[in-house]
Amino acid sequence: LAKTTQPISMDSYEGQEVNITCSHNNIATNDYITWYQQFPSQGPRFIIQGYKTKVTNEVASLFIPADRKSSTLSLPRVSLSDTAVYYCLVTDKLIFGTGTRLQVFP
Amino acid sequence: DAGVIQSPRHEVTEMGQEVTLRCKPISGHNSLFWYRQTMMRGLELLIYFNNNVPIDDSGMPEDRFSAKMPNASFSTLKIQPSEPRDSAVYFCASSPLGGPYEQYFGPGTRLTVT
Repeated sequence: LAKTTQPISMDSYEGQEVNITCSHNNIATNDYITWYQQFPSQGPRFIIQGYKTKVTNEVASLFIPADRKSSTLSLPRVSLSDTAVYYCLVTDKLIFGTGTRLQVFP
Repeated sequence: DAGVIQSPRHEVTEMGQEVTLRCKPISGHNSLFWYRQTMMRGLELLIYFNNNVPIDDSGMPEDRFSAKMPNASFSTLKIQPSEPRDSAVYFCASSPLGGPYEQYFGPGTRLTVT
């Protein structure tokens, strides 16, 4: 199974860029990488998805190296409201890891 | 669109009782997923349906759990009999068929079994 590994927690300050890396060594050819955000007492919410190289939307960027064994979610200039748990998901396997708890301080 | 609708939002029941959780997916979405989230085990996929047909139920903990999707707009997750270790937040999510498409999650049902 394509299990993902992420740091358990990260701290940052408002205005900084945050990069969260996810390892997925057993990713298959047809797998996509998807990132979700979850606030307390809410369901996860889609952030971004990619297959290779770089994907950018209005919220974040996703960097995927050529071997696709890892991916990095980049959040530019975080704010307090970005405090949440971030999950990396290898799409076809539907396995959420433990997630990364991001705490943003003023 | 109202998004994925789950009911009830909170359920407190005694051990041994039957519990039924309900989900209405987003209209037009043909894939439906049931997840369970606990502090110890994180977010776990229990079962998912494509076009109302169960595709993978390998995540269902045991025979006490069952899920149905009688039509495209309704699904249930039943626990009978319930046990304290079933206490968790249960999420339903839906997505368009095929993909990989993003999943849209409901607000969850917080189940407490005493």
